Amino acid sequence: ETGVTQSPTHLIKTRGQQVTLRCSSQSGHNTVSWYQQALGQGPQFIFQYYREEENGRGNFPPRFSGLQFPNYSSELNVNALELDDSALYLCASSLVGLAGRDEQFFGPGTRLTVL
Amino acid sequence: QKEVEQDPGPLSVPEGAIVSLNCTYSNSAFQYFMWYRQYSRKGPELLMYTYSSGNKEDGRFTAQVDKSSKYISLFIRDSQPSDSATYLCAMSGDYKLSFGAGTTVTVRA
Repeated sequence: ETGVTQSPTHLIKTRGQQVTLRCSSQSGHNTVSWYQQALGQGPQFIFQYYREEENGRGNFPPRFSGLQFPNYSSELNVNALELDDSALYLCASSLVGLAGRDEQFFGPGTRLTVL
Repeated sequence: QKEVEQDPGPLSVPEGAIVSLNCTYSNSAFQYFMWYRQYSRKGPELLMYTYSSGNKEDGRFTAQVDKSSKYISLFIRDSQPSDSATYLCAMSGDYKLSFGAGTTVTVRA
């Protein structure tokens, strides 16, 4: 069984630039969620994708957008980067079934630094 | 007030001690309760997943949920230096997880 993978591991950008982060979900999972974790804080939910549609969104501005592909992999795009966007970005995959219960398994994260 | 409150610690204990961690929450809609372990600069690793009030045991780990008090706990018995990490409580009622801030634990050899 292949776990959740994310790329790149680290990224440095300057304010105003755009960034794309990638995630491959765990084998057999159909749902991907993205979280932002600032230093010393717990992860904050950005959004979730299920069957290539956004299934729910947290309190993040529209410049945070995403995609899910037919193979269930996903991208997180952030436009007009701000200094406060510096964080660890985590992708979590899960298998959402009829019961609605999902255990979310996280990837190693992408550490984004905005200068 | 945050939806999930967790004492950030840090917590330092000698090897072999029992580690006790807890979180409180305010959202009555939360149904699923989890504990994650996160090593420095790594992604969170799922340790325990519980649905109902009561206890769940897995090896050295015991998770407790008290929905009436909106309080969850994690106990680690016979703690080892390899248990040194940040422990995050998380809970959900629908599709998203709401996390506590995490408690940093150090187990001294």
